[in-house]
Amino acid sequence: DIQMTQSPSSLSASVGDRVTITCRASQHINSYVNWYQQKPGNAPTLLIYGASSLQSGVPSRFSGSGSGTDFTLTISSLQREDFATYYCQQSYSTLYTFGQGTKLAIK
Amino acid sequence: QVQLVQSGPEVKKPGSSVKVSCKASGGTFSNYGVTWVRQAPGQGLEWMGGVIPIFGSPSYAQRFRDRVSITTDESSTTAHMVLSSLRSEDTAVYYCARVAPAVTAGGSYYYAMDVWGQGTTVTVAS
Repeated sequence: DIQMTQSPSSLSASVGDRVTITCRASQHINSYVNWYQQKPGNAPTLLIYGASSLQSGVPSRFSGSGSGTDFTLTISSLQREDFATYYCQQSYSTLYTFGQGTKLAIK
Repeated sequence: QVQLVQSGPEVKKPGSSVKVSCKASGGTFSNYGVTWVRQAPGQGLEWMGGVIPIFGSPSYAQRFRDRVSITTDESSTTAHMVLSSLRSEDTAVYYCARVAPAVTAGGSYYYAMDVWGQGTTVTVAS
């Protein structure tokens, strides 16, 4: 199976900060990475697909980049509603896998 | 806009099986895939398996391959996930998610889980 390794596993930041979360795949996966946001008690929601394309309705302060094995999710200016857990997920293989998650907390 | 509505919470004994359903309201799974993801208390997301149309038959994560089955009914409005030989470690929230092709500005297609059910809590306890 393709392993997805996220870092950091947790992060503290302030409203207005720029934040970057990284995800590394155990093999080349082109741009087959999606990013999800999950708030406590809720199902995940899709933020980014194809490594860099913004899902409809997602604020433009979210962006994704990368190809091959290394990927990033960036939030340009944190808003209070962005404090949540973020997951990367690969769809290169029919056996999907998620990263372990990055919990973004208020500093 | 399609919504996925899952069946209610379950409490099961170790060794038994559980069936969780996921009904598509306002659409079907006909032209999409469906996957199942679980989340143990305080833990991350774990992909269990799914049916992706272009890939044909269901795919299952290695650790669940011998005890999970994912199907859709003939009308393609309801998906089911059956997990057997339950143990306490299977206590989790189980989510279904629609897998849909999403197109980029450059015209490339990528599959992503774009609509999620509300989750079903399965508790395994003696």
